Amino acid sequence: NAGVTQTPKFQVLKTGQSMTLQCAQDMNHNSMYWYRQDPGMGLRLIYYSASEGTTDKGEVPNGYNVSRLNKREFSLRLESAAPSQTSVYFCASSEQAGATPETQYFGPGTRLLVL
Amino acid sequence: QKEVEQDPGPLSVPEGAIVSLNCTYSNSAFQYFMWYRQYSRKGPELLMYTYSSGNKEDGRFTAQVDKSSKYISLFIRDSQPSDSATYLCAIIKAAGNKLTFGGGTRVLVKP
Repeated sequence: NAGVTQTPKFQVLKTGQSMTLQCAQDMNHNSMYWYRQDPGMGLRLIYYSASEGTTDKGEVPNGYNVSRLNKREFSLRLESAAPSQTSVYFCASSEQAGATPETQYFGPGTRLLVL
Repeated sequence: QKEVEQDPGPLSVPEGAIVSLNCTYSNSAFQYFMWYRQYSRKGPELLMYTYSSGNKEDGRFTAQVDKSSKYISLFIRDSQPSDSATYLCAIIKAAGNKLTFGGGTRVLVKP
């Protein structure tokens, strides 16, 4: 039982390049989330998927797209990376949107540097 | 103004001391209050949650909520070097809604 896994662990991109961050969970959770964490800013929600087949914007969605590939996997795509997207990206999952409280389980993170 | 404010620290204490962490929030619609712990280069992990004003204890950890003042606290008794981490408060308006995080407070417990 690995929980939430993310690949890659670290990535360096040049401005304008694209990449996809992968996330998978083996807890049979319905809801999945993508956050970015910047110094002093805490975690900010980029996109989330309340259930398979649905996705919604969070607080900072500009410059990103997501795909809920199946119940296990939720990917985050940067179409044209910008230096402002340098951050640590965390994927999380929870049993269901609507559970009380909504306990989210986080992956280990992907460190992204955009030059 | 951020919806959830948290002093970034760092907060340095000797081993065995009580660690006191605080968050303030601006939206009275927030109903559920959580504390996450994040070790360096790791993802956050849930420590405690509560939804009512008052205290909740779990071992060495006590979460306190004062909804009238929009103020939440976490106390760590008998602190250990292994408690050295960043502590994030997180709040949601209602079950199923999105988490809003504070910026985190870095804690260092010195042996």
